[in-house]
This record gives sequence, structure tokens and C-alpha cells, in this order.
Amino acid sequence: DAGVIQSPRHEVTEMGQEVTLRCKPISGHDYLFWYRQTMMRGLELLIYFNNNVPIDDSGMPEDRFSAKMPNASFSTLKIQPSEPRDSAVYFCASSLDWLIADTQYFGPGTRLTVL
Amino acid sequence: AQTVTQSQPEMSVQEAETVTLSCTYDTSESDYYLFWYKQPPSRQMILVIRQEAYKQQNATENRFSVNFQKAAKSFSLKISDSQLGDAAMYFCAYNQFYFGTGTSLTVIP
Repeated sequence: DAGVIQSPRHEVTEMGQEVTLRCKPISGHDYLFWYRQTMMRGLELLIYFNNNVPIDDSGMPEDRFSAKMPNASFSTLKIQPSEPRDSAVYFCASSLDWLIADTQYFGPGTRLTVL
Repeated sequence: AQTVTQSQPEMSVQEAETVTLSCTYDTSESDYYLFWYKQPPSRQMILVIRQEAYKQQNATENRFSVNFQKAAKSFSLKISDSQLGDAAMYFCAYNQFYFGTGTSLTVIP
């Protein structure tokens, strides 16, 4: 398997623009996670899905953020409108089973810069 | 929410020497899982080692081992015979979701 795939790897946009980050999990994995990494706050869980259903979105910072998983092989994280404080590296990860115990496989991340 | 604390923002070690990275956590649960992840400059997060709380024996993976002290809620990572490729950020995690702020490890040739 190719591992978790994220696109784009880098995104530079201007404040107020819509940003869409994409993720393809490892085939057969039931759980998908979106994280945000910043110097100040470290790695934070934003939302996770089980079998395409959002289970916990309590980490989503505000209504400007939304995430979807229309099928088992694709998920998006959207920011609309984007703000400079959204600049961070966004990771997608997936795991096979058993939420708290199973190894997460991370994608390479998307570095987002909002000017 | 559970908290994970890594009190050493930066560490350095001479090549071939041993280094220990610290991690403490807060929980009221009796069964849980702890992880160490490595993040090299490529940004790719890679699992280093995993420990189940109900297991007394400390996990080991080649040159990597942990010192798990359940009563003290401590989970340190020991890297033996450090190599240049070990240079990275290391993150401690509790039950997948909760990550520490990381320790940046430099390996000195």
C-alpha cells in the first residue's frame, strides 16, 4: 500500500480564501483522523471518523472548519474563510481498528500558509 | 481531557551514546496505551514503540526501549547506540489522541 496520501503538500493562500485539504487513507482502515500541528500548541486532534461517520469533532476550532468523508477512501478538511492564524501543518492519519490501541499511520502533512 | 507533558523541549546526544527522553501523563484510567512517535525533518510521523498499561514488561524495539512507571505515570524513551538518523522530534502520546509538545533530539557526530 502507498500509505496515507495527502494533497497538496504545500498551500499558500490569502486571508479570506477557501482552502481544501485532501486525504486518502490506507485501504481497509476504519478510522481516519485530522490533526493540526503548530509550534505553540503541538499536535492537536481536530476530528476523527469511524467507517466514514464523524465521531468526535470537539477539536475543530470553530465553524470555519469543516470535514467530510464521503467514502472510505477520501476525506476533506475545509477552511472557509481562512485566516493567518490557521497557518500550520495539517496531518491526516488512519488506523485499522480498535481506536485507542491501534497504530496510526500518518500522511506527510500539508503545510498551510495563510497570508 | 488527559494531558501529556514532555518537559524537555530539546536534547542532544553524542553518536553511539544513550539518551533518555521524558514523558509524563495524567489519567484516571487503569487501562490505556502509550506511544512514542518520531518526526524527522521530512515531517512524516513514524511509530517508534507502543506500551500497553496493563503489561508490566517494558516494551523494546531494537535500540529503543521504554521505562514505564505506571504509579508515577511516567513513560520515558531510551535510545541506545544513538545514530545520526535518530535526529528528529519525538512525541509521546496517550491513547492515540493526546500528544505531548515534543522533544527535539540532536545527534552530535
